Amino acid sequence: GAVVSQHPSRVICKSGTSVKIECRSLDFQATTMFWYRQFPKQSLMLMATSNEGSKATYEQGVEKDKFLINHASLTLSTLTVTSAHPEDSSFYICSAREQGYQPQHFGDGTRLSIL
Amino acid sequence: DAKTTQPPSMDCAEGRAANLPCNHSTISGNEYVYWYRQIHSQGPQYIIHGLKNNETNEMASLIITEDRKSSTLILPHATLRDTAVYYCIVMILAGNQFYFGTGTSLTVIP
Repeated sequence: GAVVSQHPSRVICKSGTSVKIECRSLDFQATTMFWYRQFPKQSLMLMATSNEGSKATYEQGVEKDKFLINHASLTLSTLTVTSAHPEDSSFYICSAREQGYQPQHFGDGTRLSIL
Repeated sequence: DAKTTQPPSMDCAEGRAANLPCNHSTISGNEYVYWYRQIHSQGPQYIIHGLKNNETNEMASLIITEDRKSSTLILPHATLRDTAVYYCIVMILAGNQFYFGTGTSLTVIP
């Protein structure tokens, strides 16, 4: 089946640090990738949608200068949380989709803790 | 922005069928229904999807009503490892996005 790899799985860092999270589709080409965040006991919230070679489309209320998304190839997207602060601590999850009505496949998530 | 509603929680006895309902009364003709589940602290796992016909795979069956306003995910023989939050999602193809609702927390009881 389709596999999406997300790294790192856990990050703990100081306030003010920038953190990069990678999302890779291992056995298929992902025309579209998505980034979500999830707070404890809540559902997933879509942050942004990115298509290969294009600028990401951010959901309302998500700061594009804070959460930088790059989708440089059909198998790799990155999310950089710039100048992270404790309120950015969350579970970040990526997903990738091949095309058409194919289902999205999710990575295992990155737990980000900002001290 | 979720277009689906699900009961917040359900219990099911181990070995019995788990039937998880989902309402999507505003679904459009070209929108598919997808089911995922999330086990604590992991990414969601794809289960099944369908348009209007019933679907079955090695994990589950998906029953979609004729008017497409609701669907039911069936886990035929629930095990303790099926304890998870189950999400029913309608994808809007034009924008590709999945908007997750609150899901159903299924607890399989020994």
